[in-house]
Amino acid sequence: EADIYQTPRYLVIGTGKKITLECSQTMGHDKMYWYQQDPGMELHLIHYSYGVNSTEKGDLSSESTVSRIRTEHFPLTLESARPSHTSQYLCASSRTSGSNEQFFGPGTRLTVL
Amino acid sequence: GENVEQHPSTLSVQEGDSAVIKCTYSDSASNYFPWYKQELGKRPQLIIDIRSNVGEKKDQRIAVTLNKTAKHFSLHITETQPEDSAVYFCAASRGYSSASKIIFGSGTRLSIRP
Repeated sequence: EADIYQTPRYLVIGTGKKITLECSQTMGHDKMYWYQQDPGMELHLIHYSYGVNSTEKGDLSSESTVSRIRTEHFPLTLESARPSHTSQYLCASSRTSGSNEQFFGPGTRLTVL
Repeated sequence: GENVEQHPSTLSVQEGDSAVIKCTYSDSASNYFPWYKQELGKRPQLIIDIRSNVGEKKDQRIAVTLNKTAKHFSLHITETQPEDSAVYFCAASRGYSSASKIIFGSGTRLSIRP
């Protein structure tokens, strides 16, 4: 079934650790996005990509990096996690042509102690 | 830069009454306006969208209106039910443009009182 998958779903780590949040989609979409969202609050765009080898910073880069080596895979890396990074991270994807309807993954809830 | 403002931030209505959420956008080239619903603990999901060549669109109890001149668009929910309780996000983008990204409003938390 076409969907967007995120792992891990929950993560608790200590300050200073390097972490990678995984996102993969079987939707066949070219565009992918990462958002940071405190529960029920505003969606903050962190990074996005129009396709393979394309990455752009959003409004809230959050001291993170992304890569897009494969169409279906868009991992987000925090080089040194801080308590201020505690939040939910949502991955999304959309088509290049046609509408910009975004499909969201289930999210990763990150807690940095 | 491009911006979408959404009001109100919270809204409480009696079950059975109507709810209206309003958004304004700054980019006059925007032509695609989706609305997302995010239930507690769930991912945002598209509930309705409208394109700039249409002034109104309905889907059962929900409707969206668009005023391109004023750069306003609104979500209307009639005969509200408990399952309508959620956070709603409006958004705007230059649909059909490969280089465009979607701009979300800040969200409205809708509560339906029994």
